[in-house]
Amino acid sequence: AQSVTQPDIHITVSEGASLELRCNYSYGATPYLFWYVQSPGQGLQLLLKYFSGDTLVQGIKGFEAEFKRSQSSFNLRKPSVHWSDAAEYFCAVISSGTYKYIFGTGTRLKVLA
Amino acid sequence: ETGVTQTPRHLVMGMTNKKSLKCEQHLGHNAMYWYKQSAKKPLELMFVYNFKEQTENNSVPSRFSPECPNSSHLFLHLHTLQPEDSALYLCASSQGVGTEQFFGPGTRLTVL
Repeated sequence: AQSVTQPDIHITVSEGASLELRCNYSYGATPYLFWYVQSPGQGLQLLLKYFSGDTLVQGIKGFEAEFKRSQSSFNLRKPSVHWSDAAEYFCAVISSGTYKYIFGTGTRLKVLA
Repeated sequence: ETGVTQTPRHLVMGMTNKKSLKCEQHLGHNAMYWYKQSAKKPLELMFVYNFKEQTENNSVPSRFSPECPNSSHLFLHLHTLQPEDSALYLCASSQGVGTEQFFGPGTRLTVL
């Protein structure tokens, strides 16, 4: 069965520091992968997506992610974190040929001033 | 209105009440979704509708009853809920298979 694992429940970084959030997936074929961000009391907003092609994808708000098939990973990165990046981040994969999106449990990011 | 809207934003109901959640998407999408978001659990896909037809029912208890009268509107009718049904209920839409979803702000439901 397909699954998504986000091993870090909480991460704390200082403002201006670099960030990497981990995501591992279990999927038989080439997956469609997504990163979403959720601010308190809000719905999820798409940061970036990977369908095919270049394995390094750029997203909004200065985020990027790299698809590594050999490691079944799709880690999210940002070179310099801003206080406004504090939120919860979700990795997701689509089950091929269906509308069944599978989400990870999320990583809550705290940013220290 | 733009994007995906949900009403009400907050709802408190007793276990014997009947209430409905409403979702509307202004994006011209053909698929709509209901998710349940509970603390410390992954988002749980509840229902999917594509062109008004239900394509997924993720073993959701019958006390949750979805309705999709057209591609822009989605309802979730609630009846005889349990306290463990308290959660954030998120609606989303997408253009088709394998595309990104656009989410509404959610309805925070509390069952007393």
